Amino acid sequence: DAKTTQPTSMDCAEGRAANLPCNHSTISGNEYVYWYRQIHSQGPQYIIHGLKNNETNEMASLIITEDRKSSTLILPHATLRDTAVYYCIVTGTASKLTFGTGTRLQVTL
Amino acid sequence: EAQVTQNPRYLITVTGKKLTVTCSQNMNHEYMSWYRQDPGLGLRQIYYSMNVEVTDKGDVPEGYKVSRKEKRNFPLILESPSPNQTSLYFCASSLRAPYADSPLHFGNGTRLTVT
Repeated sequence: DAKTTQPTSMDCAEGRAANLPCNHSTISGNEYVYWYRQIHSQGPQYIIHGLKNNETNEMASLIITEDRKSSTLILPHATLRDTAVYYCIVTGTASKLTFGTGTRLQVTL
Repeated sequence: EAQVTQNPRYLITVTGKKLTVTCSQNMNHEYMSWYRQDPGLGLRQIYYSMNVEVTDKGDVPEGYKVSRKEKRNFPLILESPSPNQTSLYFCASSLRAPYADSPLHFGNGTRLTVT
């Protein structure tokens, strides 16, 4: 499976857009990009996923570059409740699913 | 309500005393998996199951066993727990295998302390 690289931490002011980057330069053509988040020590929560096209749902938007080697998760209006660790995952043909250490997003007043 | 249920939420035990952490899902999911989470190491996969009677090792399977006799249940067994298995454990399930268009649903976690 493709590995991902994310910044260790980011800050964002409440009400502003939070843009979380992820590099996955070894991604294969049939691998999906998934984003999850974990608030404190709760179970990770699914946010969004995509293959090639940009995606949007009620929680966030996912922008995938044309070469698919990187993506950005966008939280359009971050709130204090969005403070969490965000994981970018690339699935592959294997049945394993590996999480890294993610990006710790701190939303501040 | 669709969910993944783990029990217990908290468990304190002593070295060598066999224990089982249960995991059950009510979504008819084929794929189930166990993860452990330790500070600075992220989520690491212990075991996974593609379907009933089909299980396989993840990245850190040593010291753990699993079984998948029914589709809804995927218990994690520690035959002889040791202090290095003190961790936060998560069970997860998805409709199909992760390489498909199929998000994971996680349980609320089990915090295990082995003294």
